[in-house]
Amino acid sequence: SQELEQSPQSLIVQEGKNLTINCTSSKTLYGLYWYKQKYGEGLIFLMMLQKGGEEKSHEKITAKLDEKKQQSSLHITASQPSHAGIYLCGADVSNSGGSNYKLTFGKGTLLTVNP
Amino acid sequence: NAGVMQNPRHLVRRRGQEARLRCSPMKGHSHVYWYRQLPEEGLKFMVYLQKENIIDESGMPKERFSAEFPKEGPSILRIQQVVRGDSAAYFCASSVSSYNSPLHFGNGTRLTVT
Repeated sequence: SQELEQSPQSLIVQEGKNLTINCTSSKTLYGLYWYKQKYGEGLIFLMMLQKGGEEKSHEKITAKLDEKKQQSSLHITASQPSHAGIYLCGADVSNSGGSNYKLTFGKGTLLTVNP
Repeated sequence: NAGVMQNPRHLVRRRGQEARLRCSPMKGHSHVYWYRQLPEEGLKFMVYLQKENIIDESGMPKERFSAEFPKEGPSILRIQQVVRGDSAAYFCASSVSSYNSPLHFGNGTRLTVT
């Protein structure tokens, strides 16, 4: 089974709409990383969350890690075509946990924003 | 732009040849990581290196694959005697430290084995 489940797998929204992407783990997350990937390119770091209940924002993107540290959400307000891409969550879900490098990634959420 | 630099962007090799992928970390970063993204699969960790040392290679196949990060120059991921199953995107990342420090990824090298 997938250790990090992302939902939805894909999302099509009209420009200006708000949207939320979820990332769920069956294990406690000691660090959760959100990235964006455009087709054929590398990953762009968006945000890192470590503490339960933590919330971070950058421009129109807000990410939260729930109190139990098993689920994170990424929320985009007033979406724009530039937000289009694949959003990936990553975390160390190994038994030792907690590293910032041995990341397992979700399968990604493909976001399309129609003008 | 002082981001993570990978080259080449695309590499085509025939079965049995060697593939060498290069990665220069971001300025000030001494921790380098290699990940592989196979078609229809997510990114998988392969190896973590610091200057001249392999710290964790638990994700790297035991045969044909090797990695180094010499004192001078870029990190190299070497794949000997490539097979079709090695076709994938290989991403390098770097970070300032191995704790509480996000990874910054390069644009990847897309290896195609014919």
